[in-house]
Amino acid sequence: QSALTQPASVSGSPGQSLTISCTGTSSDVGGYNYVSWYQQHPDKAPKLMIYDVSNRPSGVSNRFSGSKSGNTASLTISGLQAEDEADYYCTSYTTSSPLYVFGTGTKVTVL
Amino acid sequence: QVQLKQWGAGLLNPSETLSLTCAVYGGSLSGYYWSWVRQPPGKGLEWIGEINDSGTTNYNPSLKSRVTISVDSSRNQFFLRLSSVTAADTAVYYCARSGRYFDWLAGGQGTLVTVPS
Repeated sequence: QSALTQPASVSGSPGQSLTISCTGTSSDVGGYNYVSWYQQHPDKAPKLMIYDVSNRPSGVSNRFSGSKSGNTASLTISGLQAEDEADYYCTSYTTSSPLYVFGTGTKVTVL
Repeated sequence: QVQLKQWGAGLLNPSETLSLTCAVYGGSLSGYYWSWVRQPPGKGLEWIGEINDSGTTNYNPSLKSRVTISVDSSRNQFFLRLSSVTAADTAVYYCARSGRYFDWLAGGQGTLVTVPS
């Protein structure tokens, strides 16, 4: 199963909103409501930001939101802040093999 | 607060076996799956496999022939073994709690494993 497709980079100014896409197939993203998103700062472990398409874990800012349409999931960051500059990865859980497929990753730059 | 701590050898020769341990503190292995995920330097994340407290495993087919994940519930630990390593296995290896998504929890710092070419 191929990696999910994400844009290599996106950028925005402080206060703006930006959206990262995550495109898969009907066998992963489109077939299950099990898309999750992770934020990774340099030399740090990833951090869970969104699970099951649109749910935020406790402690994650409500500036982060997730959605899905067809085979494409999206992560939106509103009110962009300098601390949001990081790499972001999506993942889809499936019931086939492999169980988890990661996205290619997106570098977010705050201008 | 549940925390993870991992350890293992950071430098291996080609053809050797990678061996890592992940310990769970402040909680139990029960009720969850526990995964290994790796990240080559400057590259993306790759799921290796997972195990639950009963020893049920799921592996990424791309690594399945070389991977063994095991568990010792009495010590709240799970383990990764990857045989016949090559330079392509050079990566930061992370342990995380899984179950539809990954939760790296506190303390999951990752282990850099280097295999010279």
